[in-house]
Amino acid sequence: DQQVKQNSPSLSVQEGRISILNCDYTNSMFDYFLWYKKYPAEGPTFLISISSIKDKNEDGRFTVFLNKSAKHLSLHIVPSQPGDSAVYFCAASAGSGGSNYKLTFGKGTLLTVNP
Amino acid sequence: GAVVSQHPSRVICKSGTSVKIECRSLDFQATTMFWYRQFPKQSLMLMATSNEGSKATYEQGVEKDKFLINHASLTLSTLTVTSAHPEDSSFYICSARDRGGYTFGSGTRLTVV
Repeated sequence: DQQVKQNSPSLSVQEGRISILNCDYTNSMFDYFLWYKKYPAEGPTFLISISSIKDKNEDGRFTVFLNKSAKHLSLHIVPSQPGDSAVYFCAASAGSGGSNYKLTFGKGTLLTVNP
Repeated sequence: GAVVSQHPSRVICKSGTSVKIECRSLDFQATTMFWYRQFPKQSLMLMATSNEGSKATYEQGVEKDKFLINHASLTLSTLTVTSAHPEDSSFYICSARDRGGYTFGSGTRLTVV
């Protein structure tokens, strides 16, 4: 049972345009969400997170939106750059205050930004 | 920022041998570390949660006798794949929770021949 779903395995965007990566979740106990960027044969790199008490968090070119009622979040990258090309993972955890709450990952979306 | 060092980055071993993977938190103490496994084009699947000074907590379906986890100090956790088989070939990644969130190691590509 996939609790975190990234239904688009890949996305191709033109440089300078907006990239929108989507993520859906089924577990209503999730209250902390993260986005990671990953290159082949490397560990994930943290990008941005959002707590369930918020509906938007912004950091530079990256903005994450959370719609709790729809159990949906999205990552917006604008403007997109070729260096953003990577696999993006959505992750969720239940209980953001503790130190040992495990992350559940989606399958990832391969973003390709074309020059 | 927080750094998690994972070694080795790549290892090739023969069937039946054991392989140890180390995960170190370099500038912070991690009472809890996580071990993930990733198959090609798949998600990162949590294998176990490593707790300093106590037994690891394994996810359903993960053989604890095959994947031995030791978390002897606040900065080091090890994963030993015992009696490795070709189907154990995968990408293994560790992670630690720090003040800013979760920091991941660079991963270990294990190939069992």
